[in-house]
Parts: sequence; structure tokens; C-alpha cells
Amino acid sequence: GAVVSQHPSWVICKSGTSVKIECRSLDFQATTMFWYRQFPKQSLMLMATSNEGSKATYEQGVEKDKFLINHASLTLSTLTVTSAHPEDSSFYICSASWDAEAFFGQGTRLTVV
Amino acid sequence: DAKTTQPTSMDCAEGRAANLPCNHSTISGNEYVYWYRQIHSQGPQYIIHGLKNNETNEMASLIITEDRKSSTLILPHATLRDTAVYYCIVRVSNTGNQFYFGTGTSLTVIP
Repeated sequence: GAVVSQHPSWVICKSGTSVKIECRSLDFQATTMFWYRQFPKQSLMLMATSNEGSKATYEQGVEKDKFLINHASLTLSTLTVTSAHPEDSSFYICSASWDAEAFFGQGTRLTVV
Repeated sequence: DAKTTQPTSMDCAEGRAANLPCNHSTISGNEYVYWYRQIHSQGPQYIIHGLKNNETNEMASLIITEDRKSSTLILPHATLRDTAVYYCIVRVSNTGNQFYFGTGTSLTVIP
């Protein structure tokens, strides 16, 4: 099946700094990618839809200025958590669809201290 | 997309079949039933999907009732590595559509 890769797998940053997470589709082109957030013992919550060459579409309640999404190519979307705070600590997961399936990255564990 | 209801948790003995139910009584005619699973601290993994006919692949079988209001995912011979949270999702099969996850079923396979 298709492969989606995220980087980094985990990151620890200081409060107030920004963190960038990359999501790559390795063997297919994805005009649309999706970003999810998952808190401990909870389900995945869709944050935004990343569209290649245009602005991302954010779910209700997600701050677009805090979670910056860039989808500059057909194989790469990035999520930047700006001015991160401890409450932003979470598991961030991206996905891309291909042939009616969604393929997910391995996730990025963000810890803000 | 239609809402789904799944039991919060289930146990299954190793080597036995695991049957995971899902209710989707408001499913529309063009919505597919998808199953994904998530092993702890990993991204979700695709298992199987179907529209109205039963489906089988190397991982599992999907049984959809004739009225399509419910379905069952069957893992024929559960192993310890099948311990995970299983998500049943209904959505239109379109590569541009996002997936909305419910609470899922936490399956524990017991030795």
C-alpha cells in the first residue's frame, strides 16, 4: 500500500517556541492531506485539511494562526505549531488519501515544557 | 458522514475469532463502511472497507447486514499483536474526503 511518512517522530520544545512537523507521501501524489491531533486515551480529532497550492481548511475551533499549514508540493505538507504551550502537547498525525483509502503517518509526539 | 456506535472495549482469547460490531443506522446509500485500527502510539492502519457485500482480505472479514445499518469486523484468529483500538467509519468513498473518527473499540487479546 501507499506510504505516508512523518518527521520527527517525537519532539520536545520549550514553551513559546515553534515546532514544524513534516508529512510526506512517499510513493504517490496527494493534492489533499489531513492533520489530526490525539490526546491521551482519546480518539483522533481532525484539525484541518491541507490543500496543495491553496489555503488549508480548518475545523471549527482550531486556530489557524496557531497551527500553520503549508502544502507546497504534491508530496509534502507541513504543520507548524507556533508559540507552543504545554496544552499543545499531543500526538499529531497526518494522512493522505489514495485509491479510496486513507494512509496515515506514524505520528509525532509533541511535548512542550 | 453518518455516525457510528461501537462498544467501548472487548476482550478476546488468543487464537479465537474476534467479532467487533458497529452500528451505523443513518448510513446513506453512497457511504462505505471503513475499518481502521490503531496500535498504541502509532498512526491508524487500514483494515478493510465495503459498501454492501461482505468483504474479506488477508487481515479480516467485513460482514454488512442487508439493511446496511450495522456491520461486524471479524479477525479470524486473534493474536496478541491484534490488541488495538478499532475504528468503524462510514463515509463516501472519495479520495478528497476526510475521515472523522469516533471513539472506537479497544480490543484486548488475552493469552
